[in-house]
Amino acid sequence: RKEVEQDPGPFNVPEGATVAFNCTYSNSASQSFFWYRQDCRKEPKLLMSVYSSGNEDGRFTAQLNRASQYISLLIRDSKLSDSATYLCVVNEGYSTLTFGKGTMLLVSP
Amino acid sequence: SAVISQKPSRDICQRGTSLTIQCQVDSQVTMMFWYRQQPGQSLTLIATANQGSEATYESGFVIDKFPISRPNLTFSTLTVSNMSPEDSSIYLCSVELVRQTQYFGPGTRLLVL
Repeated sequence: RKEVEQDPGPFNVPEGATVAFNCTYSNSASQSFFWYRQDCRKEPKLLMSVYSSGNEDGRFTAQLNRASQYISLLIRDSKLSDSATYLCVVNEGYSTLTFGKGTMLLVSP
Repeated sequence: SAVISQKPSRDICQRGTSLTIQCQVDSQVTMMFWYRQQPGQSLTLIATANQGSEATYESGFVIDKFPISRPNLTFSTLTVSNMSPEDSSIYLCSVELVRQTQYFGPGTRLLVL
């Protein structure tokens, strides 16, 4: 069974804090990796793809460790608007996505 | 990205009835998918909607319960048949625009009484 595991949280952090989310996946043949963001009662929205070399988009940094089957997302200088559920998503091939259950982030003033 | 719309956005239905959900995208796409997100859960793929052929269903989902149409490259429908309260969920369509990257419609919130 292909699984994607995430700490469900919630992570409660003050504005300006740095927060990191972790994710592990079970299928070593997985081909591509993503972080999606889902706001309450909204659809998931692509936050960023995750590459082996690591990638950064503004305050967001994603890392992939294929050997450990581990993905991370780092958010620096948290904003109130970052409050959401962050979904770790793995593409198993043939466009089949497996979703983690999500990590909830609450950023408070 | 693309503009993806779904109709209806929400519905309340009686058990035993069927509901057809529409998904429209503003550009031609090869791959379209239907997902379900049950309360408090993450997304589960129901099926891949193939243009010109039958949909490909994931384990646990069958055509009789979730018939899918894909008449062209911009449109698909998912029908939830003979509904029961367990079918209460959010149903989302998605499209693959660039390789292995999917974008989601706004979802259809279904409550079955």
